[in-house]
Amino acid sequence: DAKTTQPTSMDCAEGRAANLPCNHSTISGNEYVYWYRQIHSQGPQYIIHGLKNNETNEMASLIITEDRKSSTLILPHATLRDTAVYYCIVRAYMEYGNKLVFGAGTILRVKS
Amino acid sequence: GAGVSQSPSNKVTEKGKDVELRCDPISGHTALYWYRQSLGQGLEFLIYFQGNSAPDKSGLPSDRFSAERTGGSVSTLTIQRTQQEDSAVYLCASSQNMLRGETQYFGPGTRLLVL
Repeated sequence: DAKTTQPTSMDCAEGRAANLPCNHSTISGNEYVYWYRQIHSQGPQYIIHGLKNNETNEMASLIITEDRKSSTLILPHATLRDTAVYYCIVRAYMEYGNKLVFGAGTILRVKS
Repeated sequence: GAGVSQSPSNKVTEKGKDVELRCDPISGHTALYWYRQSLGQGLEFLIYFQGNSAPDKSGLPSDRFSAERTGGSVSTLTIQRTQQEDSAVYLCASSQNMLRGETQYFGPGTRLLVL
């Protein structure tokens, strides 16, 4: 799987949009961009994933650059409960048995 | 719908004892993974089941670890003769093949403490 680079930590004011960047310059054509998060003492939570088009669901939006070398996860109205470690992962398309490997991720602190 | 469930949520045991950890995947999910996560560390893959195929056991750290999946649904991870270094959060994830890529959904984990 392609390597990803994320900032170590970010702060965001409650109610504002949180924009979490991820660089994946070595991504290959068959790899999706996935985002997970892990709130303290909980299991990882799937957020969103995409291939090349921007994606939106009830949790977040994912913006992928045209060259696919970077992406941004957007939490439109961050709440205190969004404080967590956010992991950006690139994984091969439709491949079973592909173990998830988390990097260090970005610690997002949402502050009131 | 119901997510992945795991039991027990916490387990404290003495060194040398055997433990069994249970995972109930999301109904209909054919793939099931076990991972563990030590304090402040990333995910460590343990084992993977897919349908009726032979499991991928390449991540099991020693022969004290084993897992089974009965009827293609519930899975049990067994650790024999537990050691203190086995203390970790054991996470189960399940997935279903989808046209837009496989997504793993995690349970809450079992926190194992070996004294």
